[in-house]
Amino acid sequence: DADVTQTPRNRITKTGKRIMLECSQTKGHDRMYWYRQDPGLGLRLIYYSFDVKDINKGEISDGYSVSRQAQAKFSLSLESAIPNQTALYFCATSDSRTGEVQPQHFGDGTRLSIL
Amino acid sequence: GQNIDQPTEMTATEGAIVQINCTYQTSGFNGLFWYQQHAGEAPTFLSYNVLDGLEEKGRFSSFLSRSKGYSYLLLKELQMKDSASYLCAVMDSNYQLIWGAGTKLIIKP
Repeated sequence: DADVTQTPRNRITKTGKRIMLECSQTKGHDRMYWYRQDPGLGLRLIYYSFDVKDINKGEISDGYSVSRQAQAKFSLSLESAIPNQTALYFCATSDSRTGEVQPQHFGDGTRLSIL
Repeated sequence: GQNIDQPTEMTATEGAIVQINCTYQTSGFNGLFWYQQHAGEAPTFLSYNVLDGLEEKGRFSSFLSRSKGYSYLLLKELQMKDSASYLCAVMDSNYQLIWGAGTKLIIKP
């Protein structure tokens, strides 16, 4: 089983719909992130959370919201989807408990298409 | 502003060596990461450099020069499975990763 699981893997929906993307992890990491990836662009940070009570906006948070329901779960919502939110979305985790910089570990991604 | 530059695409031959460069300008520096991403898949961690010099890990090596804002990823004995995008990312003063757009590496037989 994957350590970082994203659901759904693919989603096609219509403009104006509310969508939730879910991420769960079994790595025991405290930090979780949501990114989007578009062709020709680097990964862009949407939101991040350093623990259950900590939520922070990233570079491109407009039009998105998140919920950290537990240490292992971090959900991303699009309240009213628009076509330019069509992208590949990744959830990632990292561990701050060692006190040293650690790499981020990624889920398999959700391919979202908004018509 | 913060900026990470890497070539868009490179082509190399199976069995050869290729060097993928990355230059950066960021607000602060807490290390540089290289990730590999096969098409449609998740990025996977390859290497981390925070001090100047070369880090070797099997067929892959990564070099950092902080004074020049420069890094490279060196891949030796190229295999067809190395065909992928290679992402350079810098951790800035806020411990956030700033990502380059990635270099698509095409390996030819």
